[in-house]
Amino acid sequence: GQNIDQPTEMTATEGAIVQINCTYQTSGFNGLFWYQQHAGEAPTFLSYNVLDGLEEKGRFSSFLSRSKGYSYLLLKELQMKDSASYLCAVKLTGGGNKLTFGTGTQLKVEL
Amino acid sequence: KAGVTQTPRYLIKTRGQQVTLSCSPISGHRSVSWYQQTPGQGLQFLFEYFSETQRNKGNFPGRFSGRQFSNSRSEMNVSTLELGDSALYLCASSSGEAAYEQYFGPGTRLTVT
Repeated sequence: GQNIDQPTEMTATEGAIVQINCTYQTSGFNGLFWYQQHAGEAPTFLSYNVLDGLEEKGRFSSFLSRSKGYSYLLLKELQMKDSASYLCAVKLTGGGNKLTFGTGTQLKVEL
Repeated sequence: KAGVTQTPRYLIKTRGQQVTLSCSPISGHRSVSWYQQTPGQGLQFLFEYFSETQRNKGNFPGRFSGRQFSNSRSEMNVSTLELGDSALYLCASSSGEAAYEQYFGPGTRLTVT
């Protein structure tokens, strides 16, 4: 079966840096996604990694190691509005657009 | 460009009833995927439609079904509702298999009493 693990909750301070980890064990791999979801809203796309390495996009960066089945999302210069759930999702080979999601990490940013 | 729209946004049904939810993807997008989101299970894939054909199916009972029309709009139906079907139902639209970005709609909050 497919298994994707993320921490359930994290707390960080405004202005700081936080790293949210995601480990996965899947049969077939065709990319890893990070989504942000504010309470009561739809998930919004943050990043996509299919090759090993770091992808940077403004305050958000995402890293992938396929050999280790590991990814992280790095958020810099945290703002209060970054308080949200962060979802890690894997796309499998031959699976069309099907995404398998982790249960999400609830990030709370405090003053 | 308009985003993904879902109707209705909220729905209350009774056990045993059936329900139909609708999703209109972004104009030009041919792929629509449906997900169920619950606090305990997170986001779980239901099925994907691409050019009116079901391309993938998740591990849900046959009470959950869907279809896609020629204009790419999609509907999902749940028959014989159970209390455990209470959830947020999200659809996501994508331009095709090669495209990696999926755009989610706001969801339909279904409550079964």
